[in-house]
Amino acid sequence: AQKVTQAQTEISVVEKEDVTLDCVYETRDTTYYLFWYKQPPSGELVFLIRRNSFDEQNEISGRYSWNFQKSTSSFNFTITASQVVDSAVYFCALTSGGYQKVTFGIGTKLQVIP
Amino acid sequence: EAGVAQSPRYKIIEKRQSVAFWCNPISGHATLYWYQQILGQGPKLLIQFQNNGVVDDSQLPKDRFSAERLKGVDSTLKIQPAKLEDSAVYLCASSSQLDYSYNEQFFGPGTRLTVL
Repeated sequence: AQKVTQAQTEISVVEKEDVTLDCVYETRDTTYYLFWYKQPPSGELVFLIRRNSFDEQNEISGRYSWNFQKSTSSFNFTITASQVVDSAVYFCALTSGGYQKVTFGIGTKLQVIP
Repeated sequence: EAGVAQSPRYKIIEKRQSVAFWCNPISGHATLYWYQQILGQGPKLLIQFQNNGVVDDSQLPKDRFSAERLKGVDSTLKIQPAKLEDSAVYLCASSSQLDYSYNEQFFGPGTRLTVL
């Protein structure tokens, strides 16, 4: 069985603050892939990043950064200097298994207050 | 490049009626997914196709839900008969290549179903 836990259901920050969204995963497979998706109020999920289980290198893309730690089974997402446009629901997802079963977390709703 | 298309965008039906949703994935994408997203929850995978074959339908309530992907392109998801708890957004997504666990999914706008 595999599981994705996003313990923070809602976060509110003031514009320009930094914010970290947590993701903890469980899987028995040694090969797996982790993803973050953004779902803005319009509703359409948008891919942000993918990481495979053999690549623990952290990644930075503009104001976004991701910290993957296998030791704690976590794949956290940080937004630096948040903006109102960052307001959305963010989902962490995991694929693993022989047939690459897909599991999403319940999402973290981020509200950035101007 | 056109995105994933879904129709209808909204549907309201009464319980015990039937309903069908349509999805056209991005051209050339071999893998197609149907998800159910209940308000306040993450997407739950209902069925996953690789071309026109089913890869995973372990969470599809087969007594009332059915899906097909004829010719390995577009797909339909049907609910018959609908229950109140089926009220949700039904998302379709597609991804390219055969190693579908590696590739990101592209999502359509979803169909919001309300069952009264």
